[in-house]
Amino acid sequence: DQQVKQNSPSLSVQEGRISILNCDYTNSMFDYFLWYKKYPAEGPTFLISISSIKDKNEDGRFTVFLNKSAKHLSLHIVPSQPGDSAVYFCAASGNAGNNRKLIWGLGTSLAVNP
Amino acid sequence: SAVISQKPSRDICQRGTSLTIQCQVDSQVTMMFWYRQQPGQSLTLIATANQGSEATYESGFVIDKFPISRPNLTFSTLTVSNMSPEDSSIYLCSVGPDYQETQYFGPGTRLLVL
Repeated sequence: DQQVKQNSPSLSVQEGRISILNCDYTNSMFDYFLWYKKYPAEGPTFLISISSIKDKNEDGRFTVFLNKSAKHLSLHIVPSQPGDSAVYFCAASGNAGNNRKLIWGLGTSLAVNP
Repeated sequence: SAVISQKPSRDICQRGTSLTIQCQVDSQVTMMFWYRQQPGQSLTLIATANQGSEATYESGFVIDKFPISRPNLTFSTLTVSNMSPEDSSIYLCSVGPDYQETQYFGPGTRLLVL
């Protein structure tokens, strides 16, 4: 059972436009969420995170929104750049017991076209 | 952030053999983790490598198949034993202060078992 779901395997956007990557989760014990970016032949790189006490966190061009009632988060990239083309993983964890480990989504492959 | 290297970066192995993957960090870290990413799948935590004691394995992973060593706070090895084609995967080590904190990943080891 996939506790963290990224339902869009791929996304294509034009350079300069907004990229919106979505993530849904099922475990109500999750209280910390992260986004990672992965280029081919490299390990995932941390991008941005958000805890459940917030509904928005912004870092430069990257903003993560959390909707706890819907168990949904999204990553917005504005403006998108060709260098943003990568696979983006959503991950979540709780703060106790077996929920403490990171649970990962399958990833969304983003292509930003010049 | 820590700088993490892994050896080998890739390998092709025959079934029934074993491969040891090394993970070296440029600074002392509290937690080291080993992940697997099978084709088309998300990252799955294999185990937490504990310094000076036995690793903590996740459900579905056992020490006989994936023995782990962590002799100090900067180095760990993962052995994939008695390999079968189902072990073909990317193996990643990561480090972080704790489960729920940001983790930093090595570049990964791409393993193909024939």
